[in-house]
Amino acid sequence: EDQVTQSPEALRLQEGESSSLNCSYTVSGLRGLFWYRQDPGKGPEFLFTLYSAGEEKEKERLKATLTKKESFLHITAPKPEDSATYLCAVQVETGGFKTIFGAGTRLFVKA
Amino acid sequence: DGGITQSPKYLFRKEGQNVTLSCEQNLNHDAMYWYRQDPGQGLRLIYYSQIVNDFQKGDIAEGYSVSREKKESFPLTVTSAQKNPTAFYLCASSSGRLGGELFFGEGSRLTVL
Repeated sequence: EDQVTQSPEALRLQEGESSSLNCSYTVSGLRGLFWYRQDPGKGPEFLFTLYSAGEEKEKERLKATLTKKESFLHITAPKPEDSATYLCAVQVETGGFKTIFGAGTRLFVKA
Repeated sequence: DGGITQSPKYLFRKEGQNVTLSCEQNLNHDAMYWYRQDPGQGLRLIYYSQIVNDFQKGDIAEGYSVSREKKESFPLTVTSAQKNPTAFYLCASSSGRLGGELFFGEGSRLTVL
């Protein structure tokens, strides 16, 4: 069964304390892996797309990496404004359309 | 500015009533989607549409209906047949092939009283 699991469920950091969020997946075939940021009461906002193992993408304090089994979202020297829920989504290779979302990691950054 | 507009942002419904959530986009995207978000769960796909006058059921279509009469519009009706309709509903769109990078609206929170 295709599955996407994000860990931890919640993460509390001090401002400047770097860390990583994990997205592990078991799917029949990967077409693409996506990271989104979601603020409370808002819709998700696209961050990155990764297509193949070894690929990396960066944006400000965020860096996403991909292996054959998981993706990491590294946050370097986070600031309070980085507090949000980060969602991972995997698009599966299939004859039709199938994208599976993880439950997300809630990140809290304290000043 | 291009984007997706959902309305209303908050909606209260009595049991047994149908309600319609609006979704309009001015991104000129062909594909549009409706997702449901519940606490502690990943987004679940309700319906999606690749082109006008065509739409497909997603993973949890029971109790919902949609239409796609215009490229810009993809309204969702939550019917009385939906047993647990209280949730946060998200409309999204994408250009090119199905899936890929999704652009989301701000969401509509439906509460059944």
